[in-house]
Amino acid sequence: AQSVTQLDSQVPVFEEAPVELRCNYSSSVSVYLFWYVQYPNQGLQLLLKYLSGSTLVESINGFEAEFNKSQTSFHLRKPSVHISDTAEYFCAVSEIGGYQKVTFGTGTKLQVIP
Amino acid sequence: NAGVTQTPKFQVLKTGQSMTLQCAQDMNHNSMYWYRQDPGMGLRLIYYSASEGTTDKGEVPNGYNVSRLNKREFSLRLESAAPSQTSVYFCASSELAGTYNEQFFGPGTRLTVL
Repeated sequence: AQSVTQLDSQVPVFEEAPVELRCNYSSSVSVYLFWYVQYPNQGLQLLLKYLSGSTLVESINGFEAEFNKSQTSFHLRKPSVHISDTAEYFCAVSEIGGYQKVTFGTGTKLQVIP
Repeated sequence: NAGVTQTPKFQVLKTGQSMTLQCAQDMNHNSMYWYRQDPGMGLRLIYYSASEGTTDKGEVPNGYNVSRLNKREFSLRLESAAPSQTSVYFCASSELAGTYNEQFFGPGTRLTVL
């Protein structure tokens, strides 16, 4: 069975500072990995995904995540955050093959301080 | 193209009352899902429908029933609401035939059971 761990429930960071949101997963088979973002009072939106190929994936708004198979991690980073990045971020994993059920982490609230 | 729509947006019920949450998608997706979101617990899968005509239990199905009315619509019914079902409910859909299982979410229904 697959699982996802997001150890940090809240991460406060000053505007223009770098941030890293941590995600570790567990699975007995190969996986797809996702980061979703949820802005206040909205549904989740896909931020970026790792399917195969380059282990570094990027979003259109400056976030990036690196798939590390040996450490079973998929941490999300941004070199300089903006107020508009304040949101909750969910890491998710989907096992390749079969039904591809998605398991979500418990979320990390990113609070950008002006 | 509306994506995933949910009705109602807000609902207050008394213990023991019943209600149905409606969800529709216009992306011709095969799979649809119902999640609940509670603070500190992330998203938990209630029921899913891998394809039209099939439904299966997720992680927390007790107290709920679902109907996959057609390819577009997937409803969630609470037969006898309990305060423990106070939550935000999200419907999602995905294209199962693809090589990965990116999910598209609706805006959510905020349900309070008194």
